[in-house]
Amino acid sequence: DTGVSQDPRHKITKRGQNVTFRCDPISEHNRLYWYRQTLGQGPEFLTYFQNEAQLEKSRLLSDRFSAERPKGSFSTLEIQRTEQGDSAMYLCASSAIGLGPLNEKLFFGSGTQLSVL
Amino acid sequence: SQQGEEDPQALSIQEGENATMNCSYKTSINNLQWYRQNSGRGLVHLILIRSNEREKHSGRLRVTLDTSKKSSSLLITASRAADTASYFCAAASAGNNRKLIWGLGTSLAVNP
Repeated sequence: DTGVSQDPRHKITKRGQNVTFRCDPISEHNRLYWYRQTLGQGPEFLTYFQNEAQLEKSRLLSDRFSAERPKGSFSTLEIQRTEQGDSAMYLCASSAIGLGPLNEKLFFGSGTQLSVL
Repeated sequence: SQQGEEDPQALSIQEGENATMNCSYKTSINNLQWYRQNSGRGLVHLILIRSNEREKHSGRLRVTLDTSKKSSSLLITASRAADTASYFCAAASAGNNRKLIWGLGTSLAVNP
């Protein structure tokens, strides 16, 4: 399978616990994005990497959220001290820089559905 | 707001009919993209139209773009039950192409 994969698909946790999600992008893609989506809404941008560099982070992202992409391949998103408001689908997407800004399109994983009890 | 706007929010049609969804945005764009999302799944890219294009076709999909009105439409012809999904537009801002501005989506139900 050469698509974007995310793990786990579902995560149920208690408020106050830490959770970590993983994303494996398409291998030749050097851009990686994290989005959050709640029911009935479009995806909300969280952060973006080009290779291993985190180039942009949403102001909506509190300091409880951290993302890494240590070797420019897979990425992890960690949420510390989870709150009920963190319950959402967390989506990862990747793209190839070579297409240029006029043609860049995103390839999404199936997402991780987080439920904070 | 980060969100664009889509219209209608929900659409229910019979198999074989055409479905039209509209999207409006507020900024200057490099391109506008349409994605499809099945319930509980990730989004799948359908079609991209550049700011200097007015119309684009891909199979049963037809997308139009009117940059003067800052709007786009997605037409699905001869719909099938398998087209049932949510459809989102995403505008690539000319100022910051990496951050797409997403609509709220149109939920399409195609009844057999």
